[in-house]
Amino acid sequence: DARVTQTPRHKVTEMGQEVTMRCQPILGHNTVFWYRQTMMQGLELLAYFRNRAPLDDSGMPKDRFSAEMPDATLATLKIQPSEPRDSAVYFCASGLVQGVTDTQYFGPGTRLTVL
Amino acid sequence: DQQVKQNSPSLSVQEGRISILNCDYTNSMFDYFLWYKKYPAEGPTFLISISSIKDKNEDGRFTVFLNKSAKHLSLHIVPSQPGDSAVYFCAAVGNNDMRFGAGTRLTVKP
Repeated sequence: DARVTQTPRHKVTEMGQEVTMRCQPILGHNTVFWYRQTMMQGLELLAYFRNRAPLDDSGMPKDRFSAEMPDATLATLKIQPSEPRDSAVYFCASGLVQGVTDTQYFGPGTRLTVL
Repeated sequence: DQQVKQNSPSLSVQEGRISILNCDYTNSMFDYFLWYKKYPAEGPTFLISISSIKDKNEDGRFTVFLNKSAKHLSLHIVPSQPGDSAVYFCAAVGNNDMRFGAGTRLTVKP
């Protein structure tokens, strides 16, 4: 039963600290997405990769956020420095898609709290 | 800039009745729409989708209706079951962009 895994599941940190969230996509999927869920905005697309190359990160605050895929089995989302407004649940999703369409399989999310 | 809106944050229905979840969008470039269901502490799971060339898609108890002129779609669940209690997100795709609504929490009472 292939699943997207995310670590850590919960993270509490202080403002100004660096936060790294990790995602292991489903083996064989060529596209990885990062989303942020907040009460006000719902699910926001932050960035996505196809075949490990960044395709679109226009939804991501560039000054403090960075997303990478060092290899096909690992995607990372980093926030440096973190701020209280970054508190949210961050989801990773993977899919075998040709664009931003069709079914994406979501991980369980990382709940980030920045104090 | 909320291009996809789910105006009802919550909905409560009786088991066996119909649940209707609504979603509105503003961008006419969207041409593909999806509904996701999310249980607490889990990621969203895909439920059903519809392309803009159709106005209805049915899968078992779930039917999605699309009204392009009104930029409105709805998800019908009939009959509703307690296990359907979850948060439902609609998503719209188009022009290489994907947007989600804020979600509607559905509670189905036994």
